[in-house]
Amino acid sequence: GAVVSQHPSRVICKSGTSVKIECRSLDFQATTMFWYRQFPKQSLMLMATSNEGSKATYEQGVEKDKFLINHASLTLSTLTVTSAHPEDSSFYICSASESRSDSPLHFGNGTRLTVT
Amino acid sequence: AQSVTQLGSHVSVSEGALVLLRCNYSSSVPPYLFWYVQYPNQGLQLLLKYTSAATLVKGINGFEAEFKKSETSFHLTKPSAHMSDAAEYFCAVSEGTGNQFYFGTGTSLTVIP
Repeated sequence: GAVVSQHPSRVICKSGTSVKIECRSLDFQATTMFWYRQFPKQSLMLMATSNEGSKATYEQGVEKDKFLINHASLTLSTLTVTSAHPEDSSFYICSASESRSDSPLHFGNGTRLTVT
Repeated sequence: AQSVTQLGSHVSVSEGALVLLRCNYSSSVPPYLFWYVQYPNQGLQLLLKYTSAATLVKGINGFEAEFKKSETSFHLTKPSAHMSDAAEYFCAVSEGTGNQFYFGTGTSLTVIP
């Protein structure tokens, strides 16, 4: 089945630094990838939709200059949290779908970001 | 516009008992419906999906769900709960176009030994 690989699984960084999270579709091409943020005991919050070769579409309230998304190829999207602060600590999950209209979303295993 | 409602943020069942997790949706077009399971500190894993074929869909780990258009429901069931079923479950709907997904708020399943 379709596999999405997300790295790193955990990262701890100091306030003010930047962190890059990678999301790769291993055995399929993903023209669209989605980035979610999840707070403890809550559902997924869509942050942005990443389209290969074009600018990401951010959801309302998500700072595009803080959460930089790059989707340079059909198998790789990256999320960079710039100048991270403790309030950015969260669980970030990427997902991707194949081109078929009935394709489910395939999720990475998530990245636990802790900003100290 | 689409939306998903999961009734019951927490469900507890005894080991061996029936599991029933409720999901209702709204969609202006025939939807694609999905159930996902999330274990702690992991991503979401697809349990099953409905894509306009058979209304009773069988998934992994013994789960199944029935699409009922008249009730706009897609409830998830399992005849006999296992301890390993304890997790967070999310229902999702998509209209297919652009693959935008909408998730419910999730149901936390606890299995009591």
